Amino acid sequence: DGGITQSPKYLFRKEGQNVTLSCEQNLNHDAMYWYRQDPGQGLRLIYYSQIVNDFQKGDIAEGYSVSREKKESFPLTVTSAQKNPTAFYLCASSPGLGLTDTQYFGPGTRLTVL
Amino acid sequence: AQSVTQPDIHITVSEGASLELRCNYSYGATPYLFWYVQSPGQGLQLLLKYFSGDTLVQGIKGFEAEFKRSQSSFNLRKPSVHWSDAAEYFCAVGAGETSGSRLTFGEGTQLTVNP
Repeated sequence: DGGITQSPKYLFRKEGQNVTLSCEQNLNHDAMYWYRQDPGQGLRLIYYSQIVNDFQKGDIAEGYSVSREKKESFPLTVTSAQKNPTAFYLCASSPGLGLTDTQYFGPGTRLTVL
Repeated sequence: AQSVTQPDIHITVSEGASLELRCNYSYGATPYLFWYVQSPGQGLQLLLKYFSGDTLVQGIKGFEAEFKRSQSSFNLRKPSVHWSDAAEYFCAVGAGETSGSRLTFGEGTQLTVNP
């Protein structure tokens, strides 16, 4: 089955630790995205990537980092500089960054800082 | 910059009743509009999308939406709601930039279905 996988489903972190969230897709999509979702809010874009070895900051990139070494993988690192990291994180992909390229979402990772 | 407003934070309907979820957008050019649904603890699933052409768009699970340029709206409708439709619904607008398209999401509408 083609799709997007995110792991782990639940993640707990102590304050001051970096943590990496995994996102893998086998849809052969060029573009990938990371969003953050907080209760009662819509999705906010953290980073996106159009192609391997290239990525752009979204609206709330501070305290986060990404890499795109392979087309199918786009891991997100939540660093200790992120002041309020507890949230639900969603990864998405699309064929490209064109206006008609629909984004498809993974199941999400819930990060809790203890 | 584009923006999306979903005026209703929470809606409750009875099973079998009709449903309309409101979405208003702000964007200077022709918008690309989407409705997504999210079940608790899950990712988002695309219900339908509007790019151009017929302003009444059919989607999955019996949903439809109508694009009304004069009202800057893209409301989601379903004639008869099922208990399994209980979820959160997000409207989104896509807009072009020099580096590619970006989606802006509304804050979501939580749908509760009473038996």
